[in-house]
Amino acid sequence: EADIYQTPRYLVIGTGKKITLECSQTMGHDKMYWYQQDPGMELHLIHYSYGVNSTEKGDLSSESTVSRIRTEHFPLTLESARPSHTSQYLCASRGDGNTGELFFGEGSRLTVL
Amino acid sequence: AQSVTQLGSHVSVSEGALVLLRCNYSSSVPPYLFWYVQYPNQGLQLLLKYTTGATLVKGINGFEAEFKKSETSFHLTKPSAHMSDAAEYFCAVSDDRDDKIIFGKGTRLHILP
Repeated sequence: EADIYQTPRYLVIGTGKKITLECSQTMGHDKMYWYQQDPGMELHLIHYSYGVNSTEKGDLSSESTVSRIRTEHFPLTLESARPSHTSQYLCASRGDGNTGELFFGEGSRLTVL
Repeated sequence: AQSVTQLGSHVSVSEGALVLLRCNYSSSVPPYLFWYVQYPNQGLQLLLKYTTGATLVKGINGFEAEFKKSETSFHLTKPSAHMSDAAEYFCAVSDDRDDKIIFGKGTRLHILP
């Protein structure tokens, strides 16, 4: 069973609020990822990290930002939420090498009113 | 660049019938291939993966997939569908060029009683 946790699972907030989605893993993985999942299922990579102090933007442009100060922690922040940010956000981690699979958290479903 | 195409955003099969979910990939180097399943309001869970070696890969819950290089395919099958198989299924590809895993758009599997 994967040891990767996301909080909150569900969040409903008003426009203009700052939010942080938390993601933590206890597997010691260096590689971590954030995906945004459309209502119609498709996953888009928005951020990734290869280790502490490493962050990169993914294939889908996002107004969110991430930080990686500790190996186990990879939070995602929206400074000013808008209705267009309504989506499901999935955090994942991956072990060493390129043959390993991603381990996913259960997701954070964000609704911005 | 890598890409994944999943044919059919929705597939319906009768309980007890064969399940076949199609996946074709594009990669100029040997790929690593994955199938994930997502149940409602949850993250993604690995069903099976192909890295090297035997091209027929067995996974959890009775699923299997066969890597066919000549057809650039990695179709997912299960001999007999169960109601509990109703979920979203994602095919994904990565390779040795970078650490990203690229996902297809997903196929929603419906099981008819």
